[in-house]
Amino acid sequence: DGGITQSPKYLFRKEGQNVTLSCEQNLNHDAMYWYRQDPGQGLRLIYYSQIVNDFQKGDIAEGYSVSREKKESFPLTVTSAQKNPTAFYLCASKKGQGVGETQYFGPGTRLLVL
Amino acid sequence: SQQGEEDPQALSIQEGENATMNCSYKTSINNLQWYRQNSGRGLVHLILIRSNEREKHSGRLRVTLDTSKKSSSLLITASRAADTASYFCATGGGSNYKLTFGKGTLLTVNP
Repeated sequence: DGGITQSPKYLFRKEGQNVTLSCEQNLNHDAMYWYRQDPGQGLRLIYYSQIVNDFQKGDIAEGYSVSREKKESFPLTVTSAQKNPTAFYLCASKKGQGVGETQYFGPGTRLLVL
Repeated sequence: SQQGEEDPQALSIQEGENATMNCSYKTSINNLQWYRQNSGRGLVHLILIRSNEREKHSGRLRVTLDTSKKSSSLLITASRAADTASYFCATGGGSNYKLTFGKGTLLTVNP
């Protein structure tokens, strides 16, 4: 099956700890995205990557870091600098940069603080 | 910043009725997309309408776009309980490498 997978489904973070959320896609898409969703809110863009070894900050990048070493993978690290990390994190991918490209989403990871 | 704003924030209807959700945005766009999200799940793409299009249909979905008013509407006809979800509009701008999402409309279809 082609698609986007995210793991884990639930993640618990202790105070001062860095945690990494996994996102993998086998759609052969060039672009990948990380969004944060708070209860009752829309999606806010954290980071995005249009090609391997390149990524750009989104609207709320502070306290987060990413890497794009492989086309299939775009992991997100929530660092200890992110003081309010509790949220639902969604990864998405897109084939290219043309007009009319839609994004395909993974099932999400819910991050909770202990 | 979130460009799209959906209206209403919540909508409750009976099965078989039509549901209409609206989206307003602020800047020029290349396209506008509608997504659906079931509770606790990822988003699923429903339909895309380009800036030079005025109306588009897909099954029970009808989307309109009025670029002069910077607004779009999503109509779901003959709604079913399975349509219960949050619906988001997302706008693609000039660079087109990212989408800007609204806060969504929570639709509840009562059986």
